Amino acid sequence: KAGVTQTPRYLIKTRGQQVTLSCSPISGHRSVSWYQQTPGQGLQFLFEYFSETQRNKGNFPGRFSGRQFSNSRSEMNVSTLELGDSALYLCASSFGNSFMNTEAFFGQGTRLTVV
Amino acid sequence: SQQGEEDPQALSIQEGENATMNCSYKTSINNLQWYRQNSGRGLVHLILIRSNEREKHSGRLRVTLDTSKKSSSLLITASRAADTASYFCATDALGSARQLTFGSGTQLTVLP
Repeated sequence: KAGVTQTPRYLIKTRGQQVTLSCSPISGHRSVSWYQQTPGQGLQFLFEYFSETQRNKGNFPGRFSGRQFSNSRSEMNVSTLELGDSALYLCASSFGNSFMNTEAFFGQGTRLTVV
Repeated sequence: SQQGEEDPQALSIQEGENATMNCSYKTSINNLQWYRQNSGRGLVHLILIRSNEREKHSGRLRVTLDTSKKSSSLLITASRAADTASYFCATDALGSARQLTFGSGTQLTVLP
């Protein structure tokens, strides 16, 4: 079974640009969540989608947005990039609607560098 | 914000020794999961322990959970150089949709 696939693996963008990251969950998984990892703040939750609906959102500005498609693939978008958005962005997928006691599996991440 | 802390922040041991990492969290949880991360790459799922479980084993891994103290420990026995990585605990809070809250991580170095 293929794991969680994130594309691209690396990105370099300029301040003020926007960027779109993609995540394909494990087949059959309907929940996709996104996390930002930085040396200073560690791993922080961005948002979670289930059946194309955003069910939960972390404490990030509105420049961070996402969506989920009917095939469960998800994208996140960051507009008006700032230097502080440089981070490793990780996507996780989970099976089913009830999340109690189900594992979350992560992709390899997208390393975004804003210059 | 991060749920809690992991202790120690860094641990260096010799191959063959056991490594113990601790994690504390703040809220009531559904479960706690441990992950490994190599050099800023993706997180590899190691083990999940439910809130009603006290101990769980998987190969060389042993996880304990004490919900009264809101703490967990991960023991890696007979460590290998390939175990060198950062280890994170992550909790699913009660009543929430999937939103893992991570600890600050322990950097484990296993010396050959």
